Amino acid sequence: NAGVTQTPKFQVLKTGQSMTLQCAQDMNHEYMSWYRQDPGMGLRLIHYSVGAGITDQGEVPNGYNVSRSTTEDFPLRLLSAAPSQTSVYFCASSYSYPGGAGGSEKLFFGSGTQLSVL
Amino acid sequence: KNEVEQSPQNLTAQEGEFITINCSYSVGISALHWLQQHPGGGIVSLFMLSSGKKKHGRLIATINIQEKHSSLHITASHPRDSAVYICAVRSYGGSQGNLIFGKGTKLSVKP
Repeated sequence: NAGVTQTPKFQVLKTGQSMTLQCAQDMNHEYMSWYRQDPGMGLRLIHYSVGAGITDQGEVPNGYNVSRSTTEDFPLRLLSAAPSQTSVYFCASSYSYPGGAGGSEKLFFGSGTQLSVL
Repeated sequence: KNEVEQSPQNLTAQEGEFITINCSYSVGISALHWLQQHPGGGIVSLFMLSSGKKKHGRLIATINIQEKHSSLHITASHPRDSAVYICAVRSYGGSQGNLIFGKGTKLSVKP
């Protein structure tokens, strides 16, 4: 049980290049999300998915594309990289379980990708 | 105005001190999460709250839904507790994957 596996850990791109950040989870979680973390700001949601075949936009979706063809995988594509996309990216998955008042849910994060766009 | 506000932004404590980190939010919520991010960058889930109080070891988290406020307490703090603590909320009716985050509280515990 590896949890959430996110690759690569580091990436440097030139403006205009495209790339895909990979995210995979082996816990059969329905919910997966991509966030970016910038200095002085909280994590911000880029895109999320509530299950295979279903994705939706978050707060900062422009310039990013996602797909969810399987429960396990949720890749994030940068279509044409821009310096404003320099950031640390985190993939997360979550699940709900019964218990307590109204049940509970738990989050799991990947180790992050530090992306620099020159 | 940010929907999730944390205070303080930075906190320095001596080992053994009792620590409180606060989180206030302006939206109706279904769930509130407390997360820990270590200097290496990894993010770990500590608690999820929808009401009341939870305890795990030296960590205690409370939430007051009416006042839209949550606190994270650390008893007998230790240098290994040094990290950024992040509050995140899922707005009422929102999807589980759709969270709003505070900017974090950076805690440094000195030996």
